[in-house]
Amino acid sequence: DQQVKQNSPSLSVQEGRISILNCDYTNSMFDYFLWYKKYPAEGPTFLISISSIKDKNEDGRFTVFLNKSAKHLSLHIVPSQPGDSAVYFCAASVGGTGTASKLTFGTGTRLQVTL
Amino acid sequence: DTEVTQTPKHLVMGMTNKKSLKCEQHMGHRAMYWYKQKAKKPPELMFVYSYEKLSINESVPSRFSPECPNSSLLNLHLHALQPEDSALYLCASSRTAGALNDEQYFGPGTRLTVT
Repeated sequence: DQQVKQNSPSLSVQEGRISILNCDYTNSMFDYFLWYKKYPAEGPTFLISISSIKDKNEDGRFTVFLNKSAKHLSLHIVPSQPGDSAVYFCAASVGGTGTASKLTFGTGTRLQVTL
Repeated sequence: DTEVTQTPKHLVMGMTNKKSLKCEQHMGHRAMYWYKQKAKKPPELMFVYSYEKLSINESVPSRFSPECPNSSLLNLHLHALQPEDSALYLCASSRTAGALNDEQYFGPGTRLTVT
């Protein structure tokens, strides 16, 4: 049962334009969401996160939007740059348990930013 | 220092070998994690250590044996592995396990091939 889904396995965007990566989840207990970027043969790099008490978080070129009622989040990258070409993973967790943090990852979206 | 280091980068081992993967962080994080990632799949959680104690084992076969000698080090001992265990093994750390709004930081991974 895939609790976190990224339905687009790949996305191609021109340099300078907006990249929008989408993620859907099914577990209503998730209250913390993260986006990671991964280059081949490297570990995931943390990009940006959002708590369920917010609907938007912005950090430079990256903005994450959360729609709790739709159980949907998206990552916007503006403007897109060639160095943004990578696989992007959405992840979710149930925070504040005091015991352990389990990150559930989506299947990833490969972003290609073209010149 | 926001780095998680892993050694070795690559490892090839036979099914009868015993080897160990090592992970180190000096960020003062008290939670450390092992993930396994197969090609074109998301990372899957294997183990979580919180304050040097094993808090989550995701039903991992006993041929994988984790160890946390101190708060900065995490090992994964491997014995009698199968070819299907070939994967990228990722280590991660976070400030605490189970806290609200706590990001996990990943190492570059060890690419393991079992022959």
